[in-house]
Amino acid sequence: AQTVTQSQPEMSVQEAETVTLSCTYDTSESDYYLFWYKQPPSRQMILVIRQEAYKQQNATENRFSVNFQKAAKSFSLKISDSQLGDAAMYFCAYRSAFQNSGGSNYKLTFGKGTLLTVNP
Amino acid sequence: DTGVSQDPRHKITKRGQNVTFRCDPISEHNRLYWYRQTLGQGPEFLTYFQNEAQLEKSRLLSDRFSAERPKGSFSTLEIQRTEQGDSAMYLCASSLSRTGVSPLHFGNGTRLTVT
Repeated sequence: AQTVTQSQPEMSVQEAETVTLSCTYDTSESDYYLFWYKQPPSRQMILVIRQEAYKQQNATENRFSVNFQKAAKSFSLKISDSQLGDAAMYFCAYRSAFQNSGGSNYKLTFGKGTLLTVNP
Repeated sequence: DTGVSQDPRHKITKRGQNVTFRCDPISEHNRLYWYRQTLGQGPEFLTYFQNEAQLEKSRLLSDRFSAERPKGSFSTLEIQRTEQGDSAMYLCASSLSRTGVSPLHFGNGTRLTVT
């Protein structure tokens, strides 16, 4: 079974500064997807960024970028020019790229999350 | 696109009672998921539908839990004989099947408190 570990329960950053959130995962599969989700205090989870394991290039979405190290099974999220609206719980998640015989296996496995505080 | 809608937002019930939650996915999405999130934890997968077929169930989904998606549109999650350990946020998500990975869109969740 796959596991996702977020070793930082809480992080804080000054507005306009850069912060990196850590995530490691354990899998025996060679093809999979990795995600970072954001959960603001309103509780609705929002996709921040995703990475396909077969792609060597790190994904970027505006101020958000990842450092994907496949051999190390590491998938960190970097937030540049942090804004007050970035304050939220951030979850790292894993999804297999393989389908089982039932045509499913689309579930996400989440880490425990990192609570990010942005200080003005 | 009105997003994924869940009802109710909050539910307080006494131990032993039955509760039912509803999820309305984004209209064109054929995949629907239920997750449970307890305090300080990430969401845990419960079950998954493709159209009306329930294709995967977690071991977390005990016999007291049942989910349906009768016409491939909205879904219900019922918990019978609730226990205090069932207190959690129940999240619904939907996605569109297509080549490659389709991101999940989550609802605001239903917070269940069992007293």
